[in-house]
Amino acid sequence: GQQLNQSPQSMFIQEGEDVSMNCTSSSIFNTWLWYKQDPGEGPVLLIALYKAGELTSNGRLTAQFGITRKDSFLNISASIPSDVGIYFCAAPKTGTASKLTFGTGTRLQVTL
Amino acid sequence: NAGVTQTPKFRVLKTGQSMTLLCAQDMNHEYMYWYRQDPGMGLRLIHYSVGEGTTAKGEVPDGYNVSRLKKQNFLLGLESAAPSQTSVYFCASSYSAGGTFSYNEQFFGPGTRLTVL
Repeated sequence: GQQLNQSPQSMFIQEGEDVSMNCTSSSIFNTWLWYKQDPGEGPVLLIALYKAGELTSNGRLTAQFGITRKDSFLNISASIPSDVGIYFCAAPKTGTASKLTFGTGTRLQVTL
Repeated sequence: NAGVTQTPKFRVLKTGQSMTLLCAQDMNHEYMYWYRQDPGMGLRLIHYSVGEGTTAKGEVPDGYNVSRLKKQNFLLGLESAAPSQTSVYFCASSYSAGGTFSYNEQFFGPGTRLTVL
């Protein structure tokens, strides 16, 4: 269905390393969103993607809208301690433009 | 701008008690949402509103009611709290006509941590 599967579920990386995570579904979407949630806070929108194949950057973050429209990828370059948190992908439910389905998140932890 | 604010930040209830969570946004957004977040389950939509005076059910609406009497406020009510409603509740809003963000780009509040004993 419209479930979004994120991988990995969690990752430990060293400061300075690059990070890759992805979000996949069996359904096609016209929009992909990436959010970050800091511990004890609400999710914050990082990047929004609207076109298949689109590659968008926000500082050290780069996200891509998969060509098949069934997946999206998020990369973080040169990770720093403040990158710690949970990263969620989200996409609008089919048939409605205002309701989002969220993935279960990728928990990122950075060691010095 | 404060963005999206939620009150209270924390609350402990006994089973059967009632309470109301308040969400306020100052971005003139049309759409507002209530989610709950449980460990390992991501965010699940409880109820949402596409305009003042309108509300609709999300994917987990049972045990909750909502009201949107003013455009800037969205209230979530628990009439008879149950332990299964222990969770972190987030409010979000989106879409301002003429704004730069699309209706899918939701902005979240800081959350309310609710424990039902």
